[in-house]
Amino acid sequence: VIWMTQSPSLLSASTGDRVTISCRMSQGISSYLAWYQQKPGKAPELLIYAASTLQSGVPSRFSGSGSGTDFTLTISCLQSEDFATYYCQHRGTFGQGTKVEIK
Amino acid sequence: QVQLVESGGGLVKPGGSLRLSCAASGFTFSDYYMSWIRQAPGKGLEWVSYISSSGSTIYYADSVKGRFTISRDNAKNSLYLQMNSLRAEDTAVYYCASTVVVAATGYYFDYWGQGTLVTVSS
Repeated sequence: VIWMTQSPSLLSASTGDRVTISCRMSQGISSYLAWYQQKPGKAPELLIYAASTLQSGVPSRFSGSGSGTDFTLTISCLQSEDFATYYCQHRGTFGQGTKVEIK
Repeated sequence: QVQLVESGGGLVKPGGSLRLSCAASGFTFSDYYMSWIRQAPGKGLEWVSYISSSGSTIYYADSVKGRFTISRDNAKNSLYLQMNSLRAEDTAVYYCASTVVVAATGYYFDYWGQGTLVTVSS
């Protein structure tokens, strides 16, 4: 069983900030990691797959990095529409989620 | 464009059954693996099950194994989830999602439906 630890669970930030979210695996998974954004009352949306490939239509301020056990989602310049909850995912396991809220 | 529309949710008593459906359009359904993912109220995402494009390969989360059955009808562009022996902890919004499999060791969910709420309560 592969364990996944996503942090932080809550992130307070302001518009224009650069924010990073971490996802750490208990064993190496190469680059098989995806990131999703979910807004209240809505379905999740795929942001990034294969650790660093941006899904079509996703703004370039989103980026993903990492391989093996440590992964990061970065939002380079936080916009008002980016306040949401973010999840990492590997196969049938999702991270616990990171809520990005307005400071 | 890709559209996934779930239906069949509702209120059911513990021990009861429910069948969810997901109608797909805007892509070649028979080419895609498909999954069900759920989210309990105020909680995170939990993968439930996936099925290969032909239906020959199926996996379940341990929490639903033996109680839920995933199936598909490629002629009808539809995905199903038969849920039996329902428990209070199965209460959640259930999403269907198209699934991209990568090199047999990874997969991700590229398009999601809007979800259907299943409430298990007496």
